[in-house]
Amino acid sequence: RKEVEQDPGPFNVPEGATVAFNCTYSNSASQSFFWYRQDCRKEPKLLMSVYSSGNEDGRFTAQLNRASQYISLLIRDSKLSDSATYLCVVNHGSSNTGKLIFGQGTTLQVKP
Amino acid sequence: NAGVTQTPKFRVLKTGQSMTLLCAQDMNHEYMYWYRQDPGMGLRLIHYSVGEGTTAKGEVPDGYNVSRLKKQNFLLGLESAAPSQTSVYFCASSYPTRAGDQPQHFGDGTRLSIL
Repeated sequence: RKEVEQDPGPFNVPEGATVAFNCTYSNSASQSFFWYRQDCRKEPKLLMSVYSSGNEDGRFTAQLNRASQYISLLIRDSKLSDSATYLCVVNHGSSNTGKLIFGQGTTLQVKP
Repeated sequence: NAGVTQTPKFRVLKTGQSMTLLCAQDMNHEYMYWYRQDPGMGLRLIHYSVGEGTTAKGEVPDGYNVSRLKKQNFLLGLESAAPSQTSVYFCASSYPTRAGDQPQHFGDGTRLSIL
């Protein structure tokens, strides 16, 4: 079983749609969670951290369910510029090395 | 503000050749990492360093060596390149952390092809 699992998609949605991505992780000792965005042939960039109480950044909302070891990302009012691959990322258990485990990513295509 | 800089951006090697990829960061980060990214495999950690003069193996270290002689630089070496090492290589850095709560900042990658 992969340590971080995501539906690879692709998710094809029209502009203005709301889309949700899900992610599960296997290590119950993981304490930190992130969503990264990666554009085609570019480096991953931090989109947002994910906090236990859930957090929002503009059109983006992240949720964490520690009991189910489940993370989600909701994008409202999708824009063409949101087209990218979204990586679910968790820290490597209780390690203090800063190591992160990356999911394979979910690809989003927003169509006009 | 440069952030994390990788050189070279592209390289084509023949099987058996050696080369070194350079990663430099100007954010005074303590931790640095080398990843490879292959289609369908996601990012996999090759080696990492938690400080100057220290290195450790990641998930896929075979065929690679690293050095961290200066805090700002992290070098990845391929001693004898193999076609299986064709990939996109990313370097990343972060602040030190006990709880793993620091995000990593990435360079823009090196595309390496081994013929």
